[in-house]
Amino acid sequence: DSGVTQTPKHLITATGQRVTLRCSPRSGDLSVYWYQQSLDQGLQFLIQYYNGEERAKGNILERFSAQQFPDLHSELNLSSLELGDSALYFCASSSLRADTQYFGPGTRLTVL
Amino acid sequence: AQSVTQLGSHVSVSEGALVLLRCNYSSSVPPYLFWYVQYPNQGLQLLLKYTSAATLVKGINGFEAEFKKSETSFHLTKPSAHMSDAAEYFCAVSDPSTGFQKLVFGTGTRLLVSP
Repeated sequence: DSGVTQTPKHLITATGQRVTLRCSPRSGDLSVYWYQQSLDQGLQFLIQYYNGEERAKGNILERFSAQQFPDLHSELNLSSLELGDSALYFCASSSLRADTQYFGPGTRLTVL
Repeated sequence: AQSVTQLGSHVSVSEGALVLLRCNYSSSVPPYLFWYVQYPNQGLQLLLKYTSAATLVKGINGFEAEFKKSETSFHLTKPSAHMSDAAEYFCAVSDPSTGFQKLVFGTGTRLLVSP
């Protein structure tokens, strides 16, 4: 158990819908990262937050957004969902030194 | 830009045999390197990491990896495979100079262990 929690574990929805994925980092970690794992793209970095501020952006679509709240939990919002958004979404967290990221169990999103 | 290449999408070994999973990296700066393991329907678990200290790094479950700058490699090995090692293994690289670094992953290698 990494100490990073993600909810929900599974999410099934329809095209065009909007969903919110939630992540709670390890106790004391200020950085939260979001990754997408899909069969065709592999594991890709989406976005990073540090203590409530966006710090780095990767291959994140404009339909996707994220935020980190004062209690340090983070949410990834996916809107206007397409079939191709079906994937496993991971959250990771790291400490201030930031040399290691610890991953949560992931949320499996299925878009029908 | 940093990148990682994992040779072999699938590697098959017999139980008790040597495990060798290959990872080559590309980085314009001295990198940090990681191996993660993903068991079916689970998240990514850190196996070991190289952060510019000792070049031979020991991790959990008997795995180790050696950083070879001249070969730009960070191959993962285990002397004797166990059935429980069957999983997908990911090599990843990050740039420590940025301070807040993303991980760039390879495409993964699925390890199959036969009795």
